[in-house]
Amino acid sequence: DQQVKQNSPSLSVQEGRISILNCDYTNSMFDYFLWYKKYPAEGPTFLISISSIKDKNEDGRFTVFLNKSAKHLSLHIVPSQPGDSAVYFCAARGVNAGNNRKLIWGLGTSLAVNP
Amino acid sequence: DTGVSQDPRHKITKRGQNVTFRCDPISEHNRLYWYRQTLGQGPEFLTYFQNEAQLEKSRLLSDRFSAERPKGSFSTLEIQRTEQGDSAMYLCASSPPSSGLQETQYFGPGTRLLVL
Repeated sequence: DQQVKQNSPSLSVQEGRISILNCDYTNSMFDYFLWYKKYPAEGPTFLISISSIKDKNEDGRFTVFLNKSAKHLSLHIVPSQPGDSAVYFCAARGVNAGNNRKLIWGLGTSLAVNP
Repeated sequence: DTGVSQDPRHKITKRGQNVTFRCDPISEHNRLYWYRQTLGQGPEFLTYFQNEAQLEKSRLLSDRFSAERPKGSFSTLEIQRTEQGDSAMYLCASSPPSSGLQETQYFGPGTRLLVL
């Protein structure tokens, strides 16, 4: 049962245009959401996060939007650059017993930014 | 500080052998997580430490798997009697003590295990 869903396995965008990566979740107890970027043979690198009490967070070229009623979030990258080409993971967290803040991950979306 | 480090980066072993991986978190990070990632999947939670205490283990962590963090700093993950299904990327992450609810986990480069 996939609690965090990234329904697009891949996305191709032209350099300079906007990239929009989508993520849906099913568990209404999730209170914090993160986006990570991953290159092959490397660990995930944190990009941006958003708390469930907000609907938008912006950091440079990256903006994350959260629609709680729809249980949907999206990552916008603008302008997209070839160096943004990577796999992007959406992760969600709820507080568990023992204060474990383990992350529940989507399957990832592979972004290709073409020059 | 250079971030979370993991050793080795790659490990090839024969089925039935034991392997041990090490993770050094960012200094002063008291929370440490192990995840496992297979091809085409997102990382899956394995276990969690707060300081030296192992507070949660996933049901994915069979009795062949054991993790320790004896002094609350580095951690080891041991797999006994490896099976081909153990082949995966093993990821370690850490987070600081005062991060509160808005905690960010910082990941190491991972150890890629191949069981032949």
